[in-house]
Amino acid sequence: GAVVSQHPSWVICKSGTSVKIECRSLDFQATTMFWYRQFPKQSLMLMATSNEGSKATYEQGVEKDKFLINHASLTLSTLTVTSAHPEDSSFYICSARDEGGGVLYLYEQYFGPGTRLTVT
Amino acid sequence: GENVEQHPSTLSVQEGDSAVIKCTYSDSASNYFPWYKQELGKGPQLIIDIRSNVGEKKDQRIAVTLNKTAKHFSLHITETQPEDSAVYFCAQGRGGKLIFGQGTELSVKP
Repeated sequence: GAVVSQHPSWVICKSGTSVKIECRSLDFQATTMFWYRQFPKQSLMLMATSNEGSKATYEQGVEKDKFLINHASLTLSTLTVTSAHPEDSSFYICSARDEGGGVLYLYEQYFGPGTRLTVT
Repeated sequence: GENVEQHPSTLSVQEGDSAVIKCTYSDSASNYFPWYKQELGKGPQLIIDIRSNVGEKKDQRIAVTLNKTAKHFSLHITETQPEDSAVYFCAQGRGGKLIFGQGTELSVKP
């Protein structure tokens, strides 16, 4: 159980275009999902917290107009990188919180396989 | 600061030996400490976690110890195997989010 998928697994786009990444919880409902970015040989950096039915909460320094997040259902969150540039090339990973366990499982996150974005 | 300090950044061991990775945190209010394994090109996988009401948890060859007084927790892998080679991340639960350490690249040589 607790499987999270991402699509696509990798994408190449031209500078100035937009690209959408999907994150799905396959066997549980997730009110809250998280989006991370990871550069080579580095740790995961939280970009934003995605809340179903409300606006996402962005971490300091993350441009909300550039990284659009939509969490329209309990199993799907999307991240759209708008007007992508080469410096946006990175590994984007989502995670979902299974809140069926209540407050005891507040922090347990299940991660997707990641999406490799290359902007040329 | 907010960061979780993780050491060492790289660790090379012989197959069969033990490996220990340590993380230090500063927020004494935290009560959830997971460890993740990340293989190349993949997302992190939770391998073990511990909550602040216990000092040690074990799952076969993997164990985690927590010292709340000293604010550090450690991952112990015994009888290492080549398939244990990966990057390991510790994390600290705070404010509903996870704060990750810098990662340890573990290499197990056959």
